[in-house]
Amino acid sequence: GALVYQYPRRTICKSGTSMRMECQAVGFQATSVAWYRQSPQKTFELIALSTVNSAIKYEQNFTQEKFPISHPNLSFSSMTVLNAYLEDRGLYLCGARPQGAGQLYFGEGSKLTVL
Amino acid sequence: GDQVEQSPSALSLHEGTGSALRCNFTTTMRAVQWFRKNSRGSLINLFYLASGTKENGRLKSAFDSKERYSTLHIRDAQLEDSGTYFCAASYDSGYNKLTFGKGTVLLVSP
Repeated sequence: GALVYQYPRRTICKSGTSMRMECQAVGFQATSVAWYRQSPQKTFELIALSTVNSAIKYEQNFTQEKFPISHPNLSFSSMTVLNAYLEDRGLYLCGARPQGAGQLYFGEGSKLTVL
Repeated sequence: GDQVEQSPSALSLHEGTGSALRCNFTTTMRAVQWFRKNSRGSLINLFYLASGTKENGRLKSAFDSKERYSTLHIRDAQLEDSGTYFCAASYDSGYNKLTFGKGTVLLVSP
């Protein structure tokens, strides 16, 4: 099956610092990558969608200035949480959709703790 | 309100028994996925449906776009089935934008 590898699994950072996380599609090419955050309250929020040959689309309440995303090829994406504060805590999940497939496959997530 | 309403929020089963989880949608969805979050925190893909039903071992899922619901049936529950189950549905044509339910915490006991 399709595998998605995320790194790092967890990070603890001080308020105002930044955290970069990576997402690697293993064994397939992802036509689109979606970044989600699962808050401490357990709800999932879509941050942004990155689709081949299209601009990255950010959801309301999320901006490129705060969550810059790089999607240089069909197998790799990275996202940075800039100037992280308490409200940015949560589990950041990367979902990748293989070419011709309907479903998203998720990595194990990168857990962000902000002190 | 929430577009995806998942129930129950928690479920306890004895080994060998079964039950069903359900997600109701407040709008027409094009496809649904079911996941199980394991002890490591990974979202394990269980099903993807654009219509109809699918079965995999002791799990069976159904999706009715017109009636706006999806179900996940578990039969002959085993201890390793314990975990949090999520449904997630998409209404966009690209199937990328998933809206998640709030999850069902399943505990299977001996």
